[in-house]
Amino acid sequence: AQKITQTQPGMFVQEKEAVTLDCTYDTSDQSYGLFWYKQPSSGEMIFLIYQGSYDEQNATEGRYSLNFQKARKSANLVISASQLGDSAMYFCAMREFTGANNLFFGTGTRLTVIP
Amino acid sequence: DTGVSQNPRHKITKRGQNVTFRCDPISEHNRLYWYRQTLGQGPEFLTYFQNEAQLEKSRLLSDRFSAERPKGSFSTLEIQRTEQGDSAMYLCASSFRSSGGTRYNEQFFGPGTRLTVL
Repeated sequence: AQKITQTQPGMFVQEKEAVTLDCTYDTSDQSYGLFWYKQPSSGEMIFLIYQGSYDEQNATEGRYSLNFQKARKSANLVISASQLGDSAMYFCAMREFTGANNLFFGTGTRLTVIP
Repeated sequence: DTGVSQNPRHKITKRGQNVTFRCDPISEHNRLYWYRQTLGQGPEFLTYFQNEAQLEKSRLLSDRFSAERPKGSFSTLEIQRTEQGDSAMYLCASSFRSSGGTRYNEQFFGPGTRLTVL
């Protein structure tokens, strides 16, 4: 079974509007972390935001916030006030703290910001 | 030190040839990871090192692949007898894990090496 599912291959958003990128995950571990990375066309993975499974509050980092719904196993990324530079691939990832230390990535969502 | 670096950025090779990639992590980071990313997919874990010890290898890492991290600094990933299916972006990441540290351990990624096997 896929550990990370991103069901939106592509999304469009008008500049200055907010957009939500969906992510659901599958784990039997109680202790895990959820990450969002941005990958522009240059290829480098840029860390955006982190949510721990025991964190009671949703994580926020500037224009990025993570809508964490533990019971539904979802960790959606919300980007507010979209900018043209936000156009990129976005990957949701999970790390299970009781297992190996690697990240499991979803297939990504390509976000296009329209001027 | 401005981040993780990888060399070369691009490599084109003929099927059957051997290739080697290098990753220089952030200097104080003790963990180093290799991932492979094929077109339209997210990165997939290959292997990781803590200092010089290779602690985990995925099933994706066939016997044609070997990774080393001598002295716990830079790492190399070698692919022997390359196949067209090896064409991908190879990403390196590093993180710092202290003995009493948090579990956050953000991984910082390099720009990747794009391999094309003809």
